[in-house]
Amino acid sequence: DVKVTQSSRYLVKRTGEKVFLECVQDMDHENMFWYRQDPGLGLRLIYFSYDVKMKEKGDIPEGYSVSREKKERFSLILESASTNQTSMYLCASSFGTGVDQPQHFGDGTRLSIL
Amino acid sequence: DQQVKQNSPSLSVQEGRISILNCDYTNSMFDYFLWYKKYPAEGPTFLISISSIKDKNEDGRFTVFLNKSAKHLSLHIVPSQPGDSAVYFCAASLHSGNTPLVFGKGTRLSVIA
Repeated sequence: DVKVTQSSRYLVKRTGEKVFLECVQDMDHENMFWYRQDPGLGLRLIYFSYDVKMKEKGDIPEGYSVSREKKERFSLILESASTNQTSMYLCASSFGTGVDQPQHFGDGTRLSIL
Repeated sequence: DQQVKQNSPSLSVQEGRISILNCDYTNSMFDYFLWYKKYPAEGPTFLISISSIKDKNEDGRFTVFLNKSAKHLSLHIVPSQPGDSAVYFCAASLHSGNTPLVFGKGTRLSVIA
């Protein structure tokens, strides 16, 4: 079974802090993704990565950055946390091109910014 | 502009009956479609997918139908069980694999015993 592990299930941080959310997958997937889920808005893509040290902006990248130094790990960074970044953050991974492959998700990190 | 739409925010179904969840899309270039199920405080779980070369795909109690001319897909759950109560997300992508998914806003299914 694919395992996508997010480092924290719940996190509380203060406005202005730099926040790191970590995600690790164990299936040697090329692709990794960060989404946030908000009530009534579904899942929105923040950033994604096709390979180590590669990154692409998603639909809502403002206020975030990412790091992918190793294939299995994809980190989401909130440079200076704000209250409107309170949300459920979801990491996903998938195989590369060529075949129809779904994305597999971690259990999410519920982040509260006070 | 929403490219993937789930127009029903919620649906209630009696246990044992059929649940039908609907999804419409606007981008005719989408060629891979998926359904995910999500329980509260958990990540979405992949349920079933279909590529644009097919019009039906079955997996146990779950069947996905794709109508490309209408840009519409649906998920049928037969028979519905209380454990199926969750939020269901429809998703689509331009190419399989490394293209990001575009998600609908979800439909909350409640299966009543």
